[in-house]
Amino acid sequence: GQNIDQPTEMTATEGAIVQINCTYQTSGFNGLFWYQQHAGEAPTFLSYNVLDGLEEKGRFSSFLSRSKGYSYLLLKELQMKDSASYLCALGEGAAGNKLTFGGGTRVLVKP
Amino acid sequence: KAGVTQTPRYLIKTRGQQVTLSCSPISGHRSVSWYQQTPGQGLQFLFEYFSETQRNKGNFPGRFSGRQFSNSRSEMNVSTLELGDSALYLCASTDDRGPYEQYFGPGTRLTVT
Repeated sequence: GQNIDQPTEMTATEGAIVQINCTYQTSGFNGLFWYQQHAGEAPTFLSYNVLDGLEEKGRFSSFLSRSKGYSYLLLKELQMKDSASYLCALGEGAAGNKLTFGGGTRVLVKP
Repeated sequence: KAGVTQTPRYLIKTRGQQVTLSCSPISGHRSVSWYQQTPGQGLQFLFEYFSETQRNKGNFPGRFSGRQFSNSRSEMNVSTLELGDSALYLCASTDDRGPYEQYFGPGTRLTVT
């Protein structure tokens, strides 16, 4: 199975940096996705890694190491609106469209 | 472009009944996936349709089924509803030509009593 693990909850201060780790056990997948989900809303796409290394998109960066079964999402210059759940997902199956999600990490940003 | 739309947004059904949920993807997207989200199990993949064919399938019982029409709109059906089917049902569409991020609709909140 995939066994995708993320911390349940993290707290950080506005303006700080937070790193959310995601570990998994699987034999193969097309890519690794990160989504943000605010309470009561649908998930929105943040980042996607196919190859090992760092992908940077503004204040958000995501890293993947396939050999280590590890990814992280880095949120810089935290803002209050970043308080949300962050979901790590493996894209598998045909065209990599079968997303298997971790349980999500709830991030609380405090002033 | 308009986003993914789902109807209805809220639904209350009784155990044993069946329900049909609808999803209209972003214009031009031919892939539609369905997910179930519950507090206990999180976000779980149900199935994906592409060009009117089921291309990927999750681990849900046969009571859960779906279909896709020639205009890429999709429906999912749950028969013989159980209390445990109460959940937020999300659909997502993607442009299969890449990039491959899935765009989620607002979901249908199903309550089974």
